[in-house]
Amino acid sequence: DAGVIQSPRHEVTEMGQEVTLRCKPISGHDYLFWYRQTMMRGLELLIYFNNNVPIDDSGMPEDRFSAKMPNASFSTLKIQPSEPRDSAVYFCASKTSGGAGEQFFGPGTRLTVL
Amino acid sequence: KNEVEQSPQNLTAQEGEFITINCSYSVGISALHWLQQHPGGGIVSLFMLSSGKKKHGRLIATINIQEKHSSLHITASHPRDSAVYICAVRSDNDMRFGAGTRLTVKP
Repeated sequence: DAGVIQSPRHEVTEMGQEVTLRCKPISGHDYLFWYRQTMMRGLELLIYFNNNVPIDDSGMPEDRFSAKMPNASFSTLKIQPSEPRDSAVYFCASKTSGGAGEQFFGPGTRLTVL
Repeated sequence: KNEVEQSPQNLTAQEGEFITINCSYSVGISALHWLQQHPGGGIVSLFMLSSGKKKHGRLIATINIQEKHSSLHITASHPRDSAVYICAVRSDNDMRFGAGTRLTVKP
């Protein structure tokens, strides 16, 4: 398996633009997580899905952020409109519901909002 | 006070030394994760613990639920172990992260 795939790996955009981050979880994993990492706040859980359904989005910073999972193999995190303080590395992770339950992380998307 | 505290924040060791990184938490948890973040930024899950002890190669993780404390040990440390080690606790539907311990192992 290729692991968790995220795209793009790097994104530079201007304030006010819409940004869409993409994630393909490991096949067969039924949990998907979106995290944000900044120097100031470290790693934070934004939202997670189970069987394509959002379970907890309390970590989503504000209404400018939205996440969808239209099917088991794809999820998006959208920021509209983007702001400079959204600059961070965004990680996607997936896991199965059984077994060790350990999460497998994607390589992250480094977002810079100018 | 942070709900998840790690110590030390930074650690420098000589190759071959035994390393211990500590994590204390203040909330009730269902599981604790140890993550390793490489200098390039990638994150790898090392362990998930809910009780006792786990071992994988030179890495050992322990947890004491009563004391709300976990330790990550690295035996015979190597420069390739240089990374940031992050403790994360899962509580209900939420995960909280420690600030990380930056480990540098010198040859």
